[in-house]
Amino acid sequence: EAGVAQSPRYKIIEKRQSVAFWCNPISGHATLYWYQQILGQGPKLLIQFQNNGVVDDSQLPKDRFSAERLKGVDSTLKIQPAKLEDSAVYLCASSHWGQGTDTQYFGPGTRLTVL
Amino acid sequence: ILNVEQSPQSLHVQEGDSTNFTCSFPSSNFYALHWYRWETAKSPEALFVMTLNGDEKKKGRISATLNTKEGYSYLYIKGSQPEDSATYLCANMEYGNKLVFGAGTILRVKS
Repeated sequence: EAGVAQSPRYKIIEKRQSVAFWCNPISGHATLYWYQQILGQGPKLLIQFQNNGVVDDSQLPKDRFSAERLKGVDSTLKIQPAKLEDSAVYLCASSHWGQGTDTQYFGPGTRLTVL
Repeated sequence: ILNVEQSPQSLHVQEGDSTNFTCSFPSSNFYALHWYRWETAKSPEALFVMTLNGDEKKKGRISATLNTKEGYSYLYIKGSQPEDSATYLCANMEYGNKLVFGAGTILRVKS
């Protein structure tokens, strides 16, 4: 079974530029998550999708971050414009149902550096 | 405890040493406790999902225990090997659908 795929693996941009990350979850997984992991902190949930609908985006900075999951499969996360404090690893994860003891499977992440 | 807390922040041990880490979480809104291992440049790997007070899980040389009444979980590694070097994350699943992570324990095993 193929794992969660993410691209790019690394990205360096200047502040105020835009950037987009892509995620392909495990086939058949209904739930998809985007996390932000800042150095020295644990991953923080940005947004959770169930199929192509948003379940939780309470911690997504909506003035600059956006995410979509078209057709309930792949997802993209966009930052526009980027700030220095957005430097972090962006992790995508997927799970079967997103409930109970369902395990979340993570991709390798995208390391973003904003200069 | 309002957040998920892990200790120590980092740990350096010699090959063959046994070690353990602590994860503390709010017992009032506990649903399930997840442990992950995250090696550099790789994907975080799920180790255990624990739900019942007194639960013990084992995977090779790694084991974990859970105390939901007092809000803590221990992760043990017996006979550490260099390949065990990683960041170990725990996460409290709140209300059955949201993972809240601790900052992790960084383990370095010297050969």
